[in-house]
Amino acid sequence: LAKTTQPISMDSYEGQEVNITCSHNNIATNDYITWYQQFPSQGPRFIIQGYKTKVTNEVASLFIPADRKSSTLSLPRVSLSDTAVYYCLVGDVFTQGGKLIFGQGTELSVKP
Amino acid sequence: GAGVSQSPSNKVTEKGKDVELRCDPISGHTALYWYRQSLGQGLEFLIYFQGNSAPDKSGLPSDRFSAERTGGSVSTLTIQRTQQEDSAVYLCASRTVGSGGSENNEQFFGPGTRLTVL
Repeated sequence: LAKTTQPISMDSYEGQEVNITCSHNNIATNDYITWYQQFPSQGPRFIIQGYKTKVTNEVASLFIPADRKSSTLSLPRVSLSDTAVYYCLVGDVFTQGGKLIFGQGTELSVKP
Repeated sequence: GAGVSQSPSNKVTEKGKDVELRCDPISGHTALYWYRQSLGQGLEFLIYFQGNSAPDKSGLPSDRFSAERTGGSVSTLTIQRTQQEDSAVYLCASRTVGSGGSENNEQFFGPGTRLTVL
């Protein structure tokens, strides 16, 4: 499973766009990139998943360059309720059964 | 619809006792996962079920830990002779897998069971 590296923490203010970049230099051909969000005392919640280029949903966008060695989660106009830990995960659902290998994550703090 | 549920929500036990943690996945989800999260740490994979089979038990930390799943639904994680280092939040997640597999890895997590070993 590819190892991921992301900033330990980030600070932002309400209304700003937040970009969290994750490095995964040894990503394999069949690996997908998935991001989860976790609030205190809750289980993680799926945000977005992608393989290459750009993916957008109602919550976030995921940018993946052509070499796929990194990815950037973009949260538009954050609010206080976006304060959480964000995890970047890389893995092959087909051969690894979908198990998630979590790193330390990025603790995002949104201030008023 | 109902999400993943876990019971108990909190469990306090004495060192050396056995505990059972229960997970009710979302109906129809064939894949089920157990993770644990120690205080201030990230999540650690424990075991994965596809149906009632556990093709990946690689994350179980010792032979004191075991899990089973029956009827392709409810799963029980058992910890025997609990130790203080077993104190953590134990999280269960489930996922639907379509025929021929699915590249979607959206797992739905339960609220967890907070285990405290005194």
